[in-house]
Amino acid sequence: GENVEQHPSTLSVQEGDSAVIKCTYSDSASNYFPWYKQELGKGPQLIIDIRSNVGEKKDQRIAVTLNKTAKHFSLHITETQPEDSAVYFCAASIGGGSQGNLIFGKGTKLSVKP
Amino acid sequence: NAGVTQTPKFQVLKTGQSMTLQCAQDMNHEYMSWYRQDPGMGLRLIHYSVGAGITDQGEVPNGYNVSRSTTEDFPLRLLSAAPSQTSVYFCASSRPGTVNYGYTFGSGTRLTVV
Repeated sequence: GENVEQHPSTLSVQEGDSAVIKCTYSDSASNYFPWYKQELGKGPQLIIDIRSNVGEKKDQRIAVTLNKTAKHFSLHITETQPEDSAVYFCAASIGGGSQGNLIFGKGTKLSVKP
Repeated sequence: NAGVTQTPKFQVLKTGQSMTLQCAQDMNHEYMSWYRQDPGMGLRLIHYSVGAGITDQGEVPNGYNVSRSTTEDFPLRLLSAAPSQTSVYFCASSRPGTVNYGYTFGSGTRLTVV
């Protein structure tokens, strides 16, 4: 079945450094790739997303890149701050996404040390 | 807009008891779903609905029932709780067919079955 692999499972960086989280997906029909941030005790919150017809998207300090040929996509956070500490999830649409189902990676716990 | 509202936030059940986790959204989203989140397992889909009167099973449906009588509400029922159902449950909604249909998640229900 469809699968999304996410790496690393934990990531620790110094404040100001960059952080990169990588995901690979198995369904070649996937065309929508959102990223979520989950703070302790809260629900996941959408932070950025990308469609398959776009190779890169930026929003201030965060960016997402997509390589459809290799079936992988990555989240890049620059100039990390302590408030970036959270669990991050990648997701991919199942098929073309007409029904709306997403499959999630297992998450990356990011710690930003002051 | 309240977004996605889940109740209760915390619940302790005894094995064999039944209960309903409530989920309501006020964004007129067609798609709603239930996930459970366990340590190291990420988010796993329990059941989903693409519209009122339509429900389907996800990855881990056993022990759970759902119904969708209105667009706004999507309750999750545990008929006979088991310790294996101890988890954090999240409800999510979205509008498939739009350009970027990332989910809006509720704040979660933390369930303990003893």
